[in-house]
Amino acid sequence: GAGVSQTPSNKVTEKGKYVELRCDPISGHTALYWYRQSLGQGPEFLIYFQGTGAADDSGLPNDRFFAVRPEGSVSTLKIQRTERGDSAVYLCASSPGGAGDRNEQFFGPGTRLTVL
Amino acid sequence: KQEVTQIPAALSVPEGENLVLNCSFTDSAIYNLQWFRQDPGKGLTSLLLIQSSQREQTSGRLNASLDKSSGRSTLYIAASQPGDSATYLCAVRAGGTSYGKLTFGQGTILTVHP
Repeated sequence: GAGVSQTPSNKVTEKGKYVELRCDPISGHTALYWYRQSLGQGPEFLIYFQGTGAADDSGLPNDRFFAVRPEGSVSTLKIQRTERGDSAVYLCASSPGGAGDRNEQFFGPGTRLTVL
Repeated sequence: KQEVTQIPAALSVPEGENLVLNCSFTDSAIYNLQWFRQDPGKGLTSLLLIQSSQREQTSGRLNASLDKSSGRSTLYIAASQPGDSATYLCAVRAGGTSYGKLTFGQGTILTVHP
């Protein structure tokens, strides 16, 4: 079946603007994750959804970042008042989920965000 | 706080060599460890997943081992090929209340030249 998809693949915006990044997980996967990857670094965790609820949002850097998953499938990462330091690749992953889920995470191709 | 370190940061080998990539982590209370491959400008491809109760996993020319008590994992690549050139990342899945998140190392950049 189809893998994790993310749109847009590239986003260029100006400092101070608002952006939304979308993630479509693998069908049937209840767990969804957002990570951020800066150049030359490994991905860093942002937020984890189990179903519609955020089970762990400890990685969100500040209150400019917010994510939703209203129907337990598609998720949107929202960034307000973007700053140049927000420039990175934003990766989404999904896994089958469930209590005590230990399954592997499958990643999408990412959205490259550039803040000018 | 979990920290993951990968050694070496970069590795260049001739085609056909067997090689080992190393990953170490500071907190042994993990659920599992996952090895990924990342090609330039692309997302992550999962290679192998080792549960905390397992010692190793194999897939084709790849073999990953896990020594949870010492906080170490190795990825062994046999008979390397130019197509293996990529960045290899290891990630550990936390236990406790943060059991969803993966903590990544910075990666090993592998170049296999013909």
